[in-house]
Amino acid sequence: GNSVTQMEGPVTLSEEAFLTINCTYTATGYPSLFWYVQYPGEGLQLLLKATKADDKGSNKGFEATYRKETTSFHLEKGSVQVSDSAVYFCALFTGGGNKLTFGTGTQLKVEL
Amino acid sequence: DTGVSQDPRHKITKRGQNVTFRCDPISEHNRLYWYRQTLGQGPEFLTYFQNEAQLEKSRLLSDRFSAERPKGSFSTLEIQRTEQGDSAMYLCASSLGSGPGDEQFFGPGTRLTVL
Repeated sequence: GNSVTQMEGPVTLSEEAFLTINCTYTATGYPSLFWYVQYPGEGLQLLLKATKADDKGSNKGFEATYRKETTSFHLEKGSVQVSDSAVYFCALFTGGGNKLTFGTGTQLKVEL
Repeated sequence: DTGVSQDPRHKITKRGQNVTFRCDPISEHNRLYWYRQTLGQGPEFLTYFQNEAQLEKSRLLSDRFSAERPKGSFSTLEIQRTEQGDSAMYLCASSLGSGPGDEQFFGPGTRLTVL
């Protein structure tokens, strides 16, 4: 079956530090890959996506590249801000599965 | 606000009681999903609808759970004879289509606490 593995949190960084949150997946077929973000007290929001191998998704300074050879979709940001503090979820979608399969989430805390 | 809405936002109930949650998707969206999220975990799929047809149910959805989407608009999720293990956040999402890149838009969730 499909599964997503994320690095465990919490991840604590100083403002302007470089961020990497690792995500690897197992899937049948050719999944689409997503990063969702959940800010404190708010619902899940799509951060970025990639639908085929070697695609790069980007939004709000965050980037992730769909690497089929390593079955990975790591999230990166060059300079984090306090406002980036949230829980980040990696997820995949396959047409055959008709649903999103999520990782367990990684909490990011950014301090001044 | 034209996003996905859910009602109620919070529900506290006693074990053995029945509860019903409502989800109003974005108006033109054909697909509607229900997920459950427990503390420290990612959302887990429960079921989904294509218009009014319920097309898939997870093994997580025991026979105490039932979901409907009459007329392909809003959806309800009912849990009968609640158990403490049902305590979770219940999330609803909708999408315009079923393609690989179609974004699922999530509602704020209904937090259920079973005492």
